Amino acid sequence: QLQLQESGPGLVKASETLSLTCTVSGGSIRSSNYYWGWIRQAPGKGLEWIAVIFHTGSAYYKSSLRSRATISVDTSENQFSLRLSSATAADTAVYYCARHSDFAPDVDSFDIWGRGTMVTVSS
Amino acid sequence: DIVMTQTPLSSPVTLGQPASISCRSSQSLVHIDGNTYLSWLQQRPGQPPRLLIYKISNRFSGVPDRFSGSGAGTDFTLKISRVEAEDVGVYYCMQATQFPHSFGQGTKLEIK
Repeated sequence: QLQLQESGPGLVKASETLSLTCTVSGGSIRSSNYYWGWIRQAPGKGLEWIAVIFHTGSAYYKSSLRSRATISVDTSENQFSLRLSSATAADTAVYYCARHSDFAPDVDSFDIWGRGTMVTVSS
Repeated sequence: DIVMTQTPLSSPVTLGQPASISCRSSQSLVHIDGNTYLSWLQQRPGQPPRLLIYKISNRFSGVPDRFSGSGAGTDFTLKISRVEAEDVGVYYCMQATQFPHSFGQGTKLEIK
């Protein structure tokens, strides 16, 4: 049973870089059937797609976050990470990592999610 | 970027009655491969989202058959035939046809 677990500081100072890691267990991050993403949810708000990355390192970003966000993958550790520079209070949210499945299952959506981690950006 | 718009944003429903949520995309979600990558996710209070429906109308593993999806092009609908108490939560449509992918704003389903 594949599981994802987010980790990182729960409190970040404004203007600093928010860094999170998602550890994948019970399966390999190297599979070409999947890619891996970050989604966030500000308090009381909806889901916001941030970025995804393939095991090859190819990545896509939400347009408005592209200048500040970096997603990376470490296949040796079976992890992928998100860095968001110049953090502001608007980045305060629960951050989820998730698997996007293209095949097995052939759903072409996020089929497995982590529990989420709350990050607060303080001034 | 493709913008996803859901209506209504809130839906009070009586137990046992049907519910319907609409999702409209700012451009066609038909991919060049012919598939339409529109999915629906449910988020119960205090939980991460859960995949319900993928590629417009396919129920994900373990999803009750009271949930159904339909639509084409830019207009899509999620229907619950008879709402149960466990269906309370927020429902999101999501497009994965074009990067960057995007979610609708969410529709809160609550019991009257």
